Formats: sequence, C-alpha cells, structure tokens
Amino acid sequence: DIQMTQSPSSLSASVGDRVTISCRASQSISNYLNWYQQKSGRAPEVLIYGASSLQSGVPSRFSGSGSGTDFTLSISSLQPEDFATYYCQQGYRTPYTFGQGTKLEI
Amino acid sequence: QVQLQQWGAGLLRPSETLSLTCAVYGGSFSGYFWTWIRQPPGKGLEWIGQINHRGHTNYNPSLESRVFLSVDTSSNQISLKLRSVTAADAAVYFCARVTPFCSSTTCYTADAWGQGTTVTVSS
Repeated sequence: DIQMTQSPSSLSASVGDRVTISCRASQSISNYLNWYQQKSGRAPEVLIYGASSLQSGVPSRFSGSGSGTDFTLSISSLQPEDFATYYCQQGYRTPYTFGQGTKLEI
Repeated sequence: QVQLQQWGAGLLRPSETLSLTCAVYGGSFSGYFWTWIRQPPGKGLEWIGQINHRGHTNYNPSLESRVFLSVDTSSNQISLKLRSVTAADAAVYFCARVTPFCSSTTCYTADAWGQGTTVTVSS
C-alpha cells in the first residue's frame, strides 16, 4: 500500500492567517492527489483534485501544489468556516489511501 | 445533481455480518466506481473497496478476506457486506462516487458522498 503522511497532525491558527498543510507519499504518485475538508459529523468534501486543481465551488483562497511524493495545501486567509479537519488521498493505486488528517483549530 | 442515500443496521454483535446499501439518485451510474470508506470514532478515513456497474471490484487487502461488494444496476444500488465484525469495525461508513480517470474536472476524486451510517459493535 502507498502510505500517506500528513503534517502537522493539528494546527492552531487565527482568522486571516495563511496556513500550509503538507502531505508526503511513500512512493511517487505523480499528481494523483486529492485534498478533502471534513467538518464534524459530516462527510468529507473535495477541495483540490489532481494536486492543484480547485474543485468547482471551492473558494479561491484554497490552493494545492506538488507532484511526485510531496504535496501542499494552502489556505491564504483563514475564514471561520475553514476550521475543520483536512485529509489528503492518493488516487494513483488501490487501495486509495488517506493521510491521517490535520485538524485546524482556532 | 447526484445524491447518495445509504442505510443498514447500526448495531451489531461481534461475529455478525455488517450489511449496508447505498442508492444512487440522479446522474449516471455507469462510468464511475462506487466506493465504501469508513471512519472509526475520532480517527481518520479508511478506504474499504470499490465496485463499478459491471461488478468489477477492488478491495483493501487489509479487509479483503471479510468484505464483499455487490451492485444492482436495475435499482442503481451498491451493497457492502463485512463478515465477522469485531469492535475494531465500529465506524461511520460512507459510500462515495469516484471518477476512475483524470480529466479537466476530476482525478480519481470522491466527489459525491452518502450521509454516513454509524455502525456500533457490542455484545
């Protein structure tokens, strides 16, 4: 299985801050990397697909970058609704494994 | 607008079989992989497996000996069965739609999800 490792596991920030979350794959996955946001009690929602493409309807303050094994999710100016847990997932090979999650807290 | 609605038994005893169904409303049923993902309480997401409209499956090796996915194209439903459950199988189970290719709008992305079903395992 391809292992996905996110860092940090948790992150404290304030409204208006810029934050970055990292995701590393145990082998090259090209750009087959998705980012999801999950709020408490709800299903995850896709933010970024193909490492850097913004899902339709997602605010432009979210961006993704990277290729191969190292990827980054950035949020340019945190809004109150952005406090949630974020997961990366590789779509390169089954099982389509997830990172362990990054909890973004105030 | 595709919608996924799922249901199934939420309370099981150890050694029983978990059985969940997910119905797909709206949108195309073929051309996608229909996926099950679970989330233990307070933990991260685990990919269980996927099935397409032809019944082609991929399973997580960690669960492959106990899991079975099936599809009913006449009603656009997919089903999950997990045998011999233990407390470690307690989780919220989600069904999701995954596009099995990359394009300008997707890349092996789970872009539609069911509401989740909480499964508890207790004697």
